[in-house]
Amino acid sequence: DAKTTQPPSMDCAEGRAANLPCNHSTISGNEYVYWYRQIHSQGPQYIIHGLKNNETNEMASLIITEDRKSSTLILPHATLRDTAVYYCIVRPPIYNQGGKLIFGQGTELSVKP
Amino acid sequence: NAGVTQTPKFRVLKTGQSMTLLCAQDMNHEYMYWYRQDPGMGLRLIHYSVGEGTTAKGEVPDGYNVSRLKKQNFLLGLESAAPSQTSVYFCASSYSFLGSNTEAFFGQGTRLTVV
Repeated sequence: DAKTTQPPSMDCAEGRAANLPCNHSTISGNEYVYWYRQIHSQGPQYIIHGLKNNETNEMASLIITEDRKSSTLILPHATLRDTAVYYCIVRPPIYNQGGKLIFGQGTELSVKP
Repeated sequence: NAGVTQTPKFRVLKTGQSMTLLCAQDMNHEYMYWYRQDPGMGLRLIHYSVGEGTTAKGEVPDGYNVSRLKKQNFLLGLESAAPSQTSVYFCASSYSFLGSNTEAFFGQGTRLTVV
């Protein structure tokens, strides 16, 4: 299973963009990059995922480097409700062991007024 | 559409007791997963299932058994609970679309304390 490295914590000012980095240098060609977040002790919430191309949805943007060894999750206008632990996960294709999600320690993002 | 529902939400067990946690999904998902989360840590995969009647071990399977007799339900059993199994348990389900990955949906968790 490809591993990810994230900073343990980050701060961001409310209204500013939050840029969360992730290294995944051992990612395989068919593995996806996923981002989830967990607020307090609730169930993890899906944010976004991508394979090779950059992706954007209503919550965030995902920028994957050309060599796919790292990525950045961008929350364009962070609010206090975005304070959470953010997990970057390298996920195999679903036909491979059910595409099991293996969580690391994540980044604890604190959005401050 | 309830999504992923876990039952019960809270439970206190005595050491040596047994119990079953139920995960139910109403989205017709093929894949289901059980995780545990200890304080200050990320989620760890216990067991998973790639379809009705199938189960497989994850990262931390010892002390747990699972069954997937119906597609919509994934049961996690503790035969003889130990204090080390005190944790928050999360269930998730997922599906593929045209062979590609999609998101996995998580339940709200079961808080289990073994005394």
